[in-house]
Parts: sequence; C-alpha cells; structure tokens
Amino acid sequence: AQSVTQLGSHVSVSEGALVLLRCNYSSSVPPYLFWYVQYPNQGLQLLLKYTSAATLVKGINGFEAEFKKSETSFHLTKPSAHMSDAAEYFCAVSYTGGGNKLTFGTGTQLKVEL
Amino acid sequence: GAGVSQTPSNKVTEKGKYVELRCDPISGHTALYWYRQSLGQGPEFLIYFQGTGAADDSGLPNDRFFAVRPEGSVSTLKIQRTERGDSAVYLCASSLTGLAGGGGEQYFGPGTRLTVT
Repeated sequence: AQSVTQLGSHVSVSEGALVLLRCNYSSSVPPYLFWYVQYPNQGLQLLLKYTSAATLVKGINGFEAEFKKSETSFHLTKPSAHMSDAAEYFCAVSYTGGGNKLTFGTGTQLKVEL
Repeated sequence: GAGVSQTPSNKVTEKGKYVELRCDPISGHTALYWYRQSLGQGPEFLIYFQGTGAADDSGLPNDRFFAVRPEGSVSTLKIQRTERGDSAVYLCASSLTGLAGGGGEQYFGPGTRLTVT
C-alpha cells in the first residue's frame, strides 16, 4: 500500500524566508509523487510532479522538490516566500498500475507573515 | 479551455435524504475520479472511471454511495440515506487517461460542499 506523511500541519514563515514543507512516502513499488496547492474555496492545483525522470523537479510559482529515495522523501521548497503563497499544500502518491489514483497526505497549512 | 466543473457548489440536505452531485470533466479526458475531503484532512479516493466503466471503486465507503458515467463524460455521484458523517467536500478530477502508468496529471474541480443536517 502507498501512503504519504506530511510533517507539520501548520508552518509559518516570514515573507522572503525559505519555505520547506516536508513529505515522506511509503511505497512498495516505484512511486509517482505530486505536490498540490489548495487556496480557500478553490480546487487543487498541481505544483509539480516526480515521474522517475530528474530527481529535482521544478514547478510553478518558484517551487521545487527533490526526490530522495534513500530518505523516502519529497520535500517542497521555495527560496523566498511571498504573501500569495499562503495556502494549504498536499503531497500525494500514485503508482504504475494504480490508474493514477492519488493517495494524499493530511496537508500543511502555510502561513506567510510580514 | 474550460476546466472541471462541479454542481452544485453547496448542498445542504437532511439526514436520510438522497443527493446527487454532478461533475463535468475536461473535454476529451477519459479518466474521471471522485475524492472526498473531510475537514482538516487530505482528499480520500472514492472511485475512478476509465471511459464509462468504474475501473476502481475500492474507496466507496459503503453501498449507500454509487457513481455513474453513462456516456463517458459527465459523472454523477449518488448518496442514498445520507448521514451526518457524509458531510464533506466532494472533489472531482479528470485526466487525459488513467491507463498510462500512474504519473498522469489530474485536474480538479472546485468541489461540492455537502452538509447533512
């Protein structure tokens, strides 16, 4: 079975500071990993995805994530936080043969302070 | 182009009633997914359609939940004898295909917020 764990349900950073949102996965087969962002009263939007090509994945809005098999991690980072980054972020996993079915983590609420 | 749309955006119903939630996927997307998101939780998979058929319904919590996609486009999630525990945001997503290996991008609709009183 596949699962993801997001450490920290709430993360607060200052504007301009580094954003680091943590995600660890568990999968018995090679995983596909995703980060989605959810703004209030809106649907989920894909930030980036790992599909076994480059381990460092760049996404939209300046976000990137690195797949580390040895650490079973796929942490999301952004060098400099902006107020507009305040949202909820979800890590998700799928796998070959799973029909793209996603298993999500419980989410991390990012707060950006002046 | 148009994204995934869901109607209604909000639905309030009384315990025991029947509800239908509708999803219009992106045109040309053969795969359609339903998820349920409870307060403070990540979305949980309910059911996945490839074309008209349900390829995986392992996430449906019980037999009160049923979904159809008769023409391979619009899908309806049906909940019978609603319970207060069914209150959640029901999300629909579509992808170009569900067959290609598991790395396909899903595009999500804004969701239907269901409240059972």
